[in-house]
This record gives sequence, C-alpha cells and structure tokens, in this order.
Amino acid sequence: SQQGEEDPQALSIQEGENATMNCSYKTSINNLQWYRQNSGRGLVHLILIRSNEREKHSGRLRVTLDTSKKSSSLLITASRAADTASYFCATSFMGSGGSYIPTFGRGTSLIVHP
Amino acid sequence: DAGVTQSPTHLIKTRGQQVTLRCSPKSGHDTVSWYQQALGQGPQFIFQYYEEEERQRGNFPDRFSGHQFPNYSSELNVNALLLGDSALYLCASSSYSGGAYFGPGTRLTVL
Repeated sequence: SQQGEEDPQALSIQEGENATMNCSYKTSINNLQWYRQNSGRGLVHLILIRSNEREKHSGRLRVTLDTSKKSSSLLITASRAADTASYFCATSFMGSGGSYIPTFGRGTSLIVHP
Repeated sequence: DAGVTQSPTHLIKTRGQQVTLRCSPKSGHDTVSWYQQALGQGPQFIFQYYEEEERQRGNFPDRFSGHQFPNYSSELNVNALLLGDSALYLCASSSYSGGAYFGPGTRLTVL
C-alpha cells in the first residue's frame, strides 16, 4: 500500500513544549502533505513538501523529508493548547488514471495541556 | 476565495435509502476527490473527478457513484445505504500535482 503511517498514534505534551510526529511510506512519491483535523471536522492543509525538497518551514511548523528512508517528520515548536488536533500525512503518487492521489495514514492524535 | 464548500453539514438517513452529497471546489481548481473517514481512521479515497469524468477510483463498491459538472462542482451519490456507510465524507479539490484542499465535510449517519 502507498499509505503513509504516522507515529506515534497519540502524543500528550505540555504547552510550550515541542511536538514531533513522524510519517513513513512505502513507495516513491511526488509530494507529501501534512494536514490537521480538529474533532472530526474537515482537514486543514498545513504544508506540502515535494520529493526534491528536504525541509520546509511555515510559522511554528517545520517539515523534513528523507526520501532515502521514505520518511517525513512534522515539528511543532512552542506548542499551544489550540494545537490539540489529529495530524495526518498524505503521500501523493501517480495513479493509473494519470492523476496524483493523496493517501492518508491513521493520524497522530496530539493533546497539548495548558 | 470561499475555499472548498460542502453541503449539507449533517445528514441522517435510514438503511436502504439513497443520499446525495455536494461539493464546490476552491477557485482555480479543476479536480475533485471524495474521501470517506470512519471514526478514528484516516480518510479513505473513494474516487476522483476531472473534466467531468471519473479518473481514478478507490476500493469502494458501485453503490458509490459521482458526477462532476462543467463548473467543476461535484456530487457523491450512495445507494442502498448500509449502517457501515456512516462516516464523515470529505471533498478535496486540487489542480495538477498541487496540494489538495479539503472542505469541512458532511457527517452522514445511517440508522
């Protein structure tokens, strides 16, 4: 399966600490995206990193991609209670229909205690 | 830019009934994908529409069908509803090789 798998499944930290989530996948990808989801609502797009990129930043978010290890990490620095959510990685590969299909893992549930 | 919109927000149906969910893509996006997300799981790909045709399909039965209109909006139809179809249905729009942007989802409950 192309599906990315996040690790850990759940993470509980104190406000102000950093949170690191990892994603591993199985085959070559075009890009990898990280999403956040609050309480079963829609997914919010956080960052897209392409296969030829190694690191990307957006505010308090830092994403790395290691294509040789087929893995990515999402770092949230100085976490806040509002960061409490589920985080998903989605790997995009070329489907048989000639389009890129993001496929998701089961996510990491992050709880930030105030 | 309104982003991706979906309707309705919530829906309750009975087993055996049929349901239609609607999605309007983000401005500038021509591709619409539908996902089913069961409680505690990641989104599962149902199918993708481009140029009014189904371009790619996931592992879902024929009870799940869709349509894309000339303005790129899309519908997801589910026939002969089962209890197991209860889930959050997410629509995502994208352009070629770009990121996929999701709508808020439709929560379907089948009783």
